[in-house]
Amino acid sequence: DAGVIQSPRHEVTEMGQEVTLRCKPISGHDYLFWYRQTMMRGLELLIYFNNNVPIDDSGMPEDRFSAKMPNASFSTLKIQPSEPRDSAVYFCASSRTPWVGGNSPLHFGNGTRLTVT
Amino acid sequence: QKEVEQNSGPLSVPEGAIASLNCTYSDRGSQSFFWYRQYSGKSPELIMSIYSNGDKEDGRFTAQLNKASQYVSLLIRDSQPSDSATYLCAVIVGSSNTGKLIFGQGTTLQVKP
Repeated sequence: DAGVIQSPRHEVTEMGQEVTLRCKPISGHDYLFWYRQTMMRGLELLIYFNNNVPIDDSGMPEDRFSAKMPNASFSTLKIQPSEPRDSAVYFCASSRTPWVGGNSPLHFGNGTRLTVT
Repeated sequence: QKEVEQNSGPLSVPEGAIASLNCTYSDRGSQSFFWYRQYSGKSPELIMSIYSNGDKEDGRFTAQLNKASQYVSLLIRDSQPSDSATYLCAVIVGSSNTGKLIFGQGTTLQVKP
């Protein structure tokens, strides 16, 4: 089991550029989450999918952010155009149902550290 | 009001002492609660889950849940320097079927030798 794989590990870009973050969940996991972590705001849920369908995107900060999950093994988070305040660590995580009573923890990827200058 | 609240700390305890970490949540319908540990520069990892009122013990860790008070805590007995990390409380908001997992800000624990 390779775990949740995120790429790139680090991304440095200039304000106004498009940024695409990628995630491969653990095989067999039907939930996929995108979180953003900053010192000021902690770990914020941006969007999550169940069986490739977006369930809740209320945490997506603005229209500049979009996420897709075209199949069970791949998801992207895109920021266009990027701004300095988007600088953060972006985590992808996956899990499988059911939540209640089961040892079905969220498995996090190593994160993508995004710096927008 | 934030959905999940924690004191950011840092909480400093001497080696061998009991560390007590606290968390409150706002959604009375929440049924599933978790504690994650995050070392600096690393991703969070699950250390405890709790679903029923009362205590749940796992080695040196005890999670406590009081749904009436909307309060979750984590006790770490015999604290070790290797326990120094940020501890994140997480709650599934609403029905457990939604899968919407919200994290608190995290409490930084420092265990001093």
